[in-house]
Amino acid sequence: DGGITQSPKYLFRKEGQNVTLSCEQNLNHDAMYWYRQDPGQGLRLIYYSQIVNDFQKGDIAEGYSVSREKKESFPLTVTSAQKNPTAFYLCASSIERTDSGANVLTFGAGSRLTVL
Amino acid sequence: RKEVEQDPGPFNVPEGATVAFNCTYSNSASQSFFWYRQDCRKEPKLLMSVYSSGNEDGRFTAQLNRASQYISLLIRDSKLSDSATYLCVVFPPRGGYNKLIFGAGTRLAVHP
Repeated sequence: DGGITQSPKYLFRKEGQNVTLSCEQNLNHDAMYWYRQDPGQGLRLIYYSQIVNDFQKGDIAEGYSVSREKKESFPLTVTSAQKNPTAFYLCASSIERTDSGANVLTFGAGSRLTVL
Repeated sequence: RKEVEQDPGPFNVPEGATVAFNCTYSNSASQSFFWYRQDCRKEPKLLMSVYSSGNEDGRFTAQLNRASQYISLLIRDSKLSDSATYLCVVFPPRGGYNKLIFGAGTRLAVHP
């Protein structure tokens, strides 16, 4: 079955450490996204990539980095520069198209990061 | 004013009840609208798109009111399995998928 796989599901980190969250998709989608979800807030976009070897900052990119070396993979690194990294991180992908059809975004199951 | 606003709830309803949520948006030129469902500690999943003429999918009905700038989701004959958070998602004008705006969600709790 096609889908998006995120790992790890739960991650604990000490302050000052970098961590990398994995996101792999086999949907053959061109575009991939990283969102952060905090209690009581809507999802906020961290980074997105529309094609391989290209990515753009979203609304809250500070303290994060990404790479897109393969179409299937879009890992997110949470660096020590991110002041408040404890959150639920969601990876998503989409076929870029202009109509408003279904399946706008397909999400992975998420990674819950806790900084100790 | 937030770009997309939802009543956080929770809406506590008995099984079989009809419940409705609204979601207001600030940009009158917004193009497309969606409802996503998110179970506790899980990822959001598309529930339904919202069309200008309104649309229905089984017990779920979505409506768009452009004049008052809100969308609504009506759930009839609520089931225990409908308990979740419902996210309103708005596609703004001149934006790609990277510009989607998510509401914070409305929590629904259906009890026996």
